[in-house]
Amino acid sequence: DAGVTQSPTHLIKTRGQQVTLRCSPISGHKSVSWYQQVLGQGPQFIFQYYEKEERGRGNFPDRFSARQFPNYSSELNVNALLLGDSALYLCASSWGAGITYEQYFGPGTRLTVT
Amino acid sequence: AQKITQTQPGMFVQEKEAVTLDCTYDTSDPSYGLFWYKQPSSGEMIFLIYQGSYDQQNATEGRYSLNFQKARKSANLVISASQLGDSAMYFCAMRAPGANAGKSTFGDGTTLTVKP
Repeated sequence: DAGVTQSPTHLIKTRGQQVTLRCSPISGHKSVSWYQQVLGQGPQFIFQYYEKEERGRGNFPDRFSARQFPNYSSELNVNALLLGDSALYLCASSWGAGITYEQYFGPGTRLTVT
Repeated sequence: AQKITQTQPGMFVQEKEAVTLDCTYDTSDPSYGLFWYKQPSSGEMIFLIYQGSYDQQNATEGRYSLNFQKARKSANLVISASQLGDSAMYFCAMRAPGANAGKSTFGDGTTLTVKP
């Protein structure tokens, strides 16, 4: 079975631009969570979506938004990019939304803002 | 608020020896889950082991075991018989029920290097 997939793998953008990152969960998984991992730190939670509804949101500005589609894939959008948005963006999928459901992570999208 | 502290930025271990990676946590939730992940240089986060706050026994998964001391709020990862392929970044994380049940709070990680 395919794991969590993310696209693109790498991305270079200029300050002020907008970016869309994509995530396809494991088949059958209904929950997708997004994390930002800055170099040298642990991942920081951005959003969780379950059954196409936002179920949780981390401490990120409104420039960050996301959505989940009927097939449970998800997109993360970041507007007005700042240099500090440079990071590895990880997507994790799980069958359910509760704490006992293991989260499976994708390989990430490495975003560089210049 | 939840907080995870990993006090060892880097650890070295000889191949075939055991190593303990430290993790302490802080939460006011009575129910929570503790997780350990491995992150190789490729970037993908690999789940290793899970411990629920009400689990009576320490979790084990192959060469991984979790030394859970609830009163001390610690959840150390023990890797037995280290292998060269264990060299990676290791993260401790926790989740609690409620509106943000999907939110994993991570520590800043420990870089483990296994020496031949």
